[in-house]
Amino acid sequence: NFMLTQPHSVSESPGKTVTISCTRSSGSIANSFVHWYQQRPGSSPTAVIYEGNQRPSGVPDRFSGSIDSSSNSASLTISGLKTEDEADYYCQSYDNSDQVFGGGTKLTVL
Amino acid sequence: QVQLQESGPGLVKPSETLSLTCAVSGYSISSGYYWDWIRQPPGKGLEWIGTVYHSGSTYYNPSLKSRVTISVDTSKNQFSLQLNSVTAADTAMFYCVRRGGGSSLYFDYWGQGALVTVSS
Repeated sequence: NFMLTQPHSVSESPGKTVTISCTRSSGSIANSFVHWYQQRPGSSPTAVIYEGNQRPSGVPDRFSGSIDSSSNSASLTISGLKTEDEADYYCQSYDNSDQVFGGGTKLTVL
Repeated sequence: QVQLQESGPGLVKPSETLSLTCAVSGYSISSGYYWDWIRQPPGKGLEWIGTVYHSGSTYYNPSLKSRVTISVDTSKNQFSLQLNSVTAADTAMFYCVRRGGGSSLYFDYWGQGALVTVSS
């Protein structure tokens, strides 16, 4: 099976833009959709991007997703950072029936 | 509004079986979608355990397959997880989740989680 690799942590200031990467170890990133989840401390994860670049209802358009086939990676971009965006973010994809999560990225907004 | 609620013992002894149940409200499991279990050890990332369809068909994470059973009870609108021969490494928050969003079925509804500690 494949793995999804994310940076352990990123930090940025309020109002700025941050991008979190998710690199697929084998097979094309375009083979299957990538979803992104936000997990605030003490809470269950919630989806912020699905199918690469779609936002579930209620997720602000400050959140966007993309893929880059040249680097075999997906990215989550958050613009206009707010302190409430401080959380862990996980990418997730699948291969046939296997569901695979990235290791997670801790976003600090300071 | 779809809601999922995990229940089960919070403490399990090593070598015994961990059992959790997820009660679903606001949606009938019989109507479709996949029903999954995901775990998260303290301070660590998410690990997918496995899935059950309303028909009862299952698929498990290959790394856990030998120890996992997931089943569904449509009459009670709930599904369950059993993990055998547990060790301290199985200590985690366990989430029951619906996989039904979008066309590719992402994890769209999550339970609040149940913390299970493996200790004698």
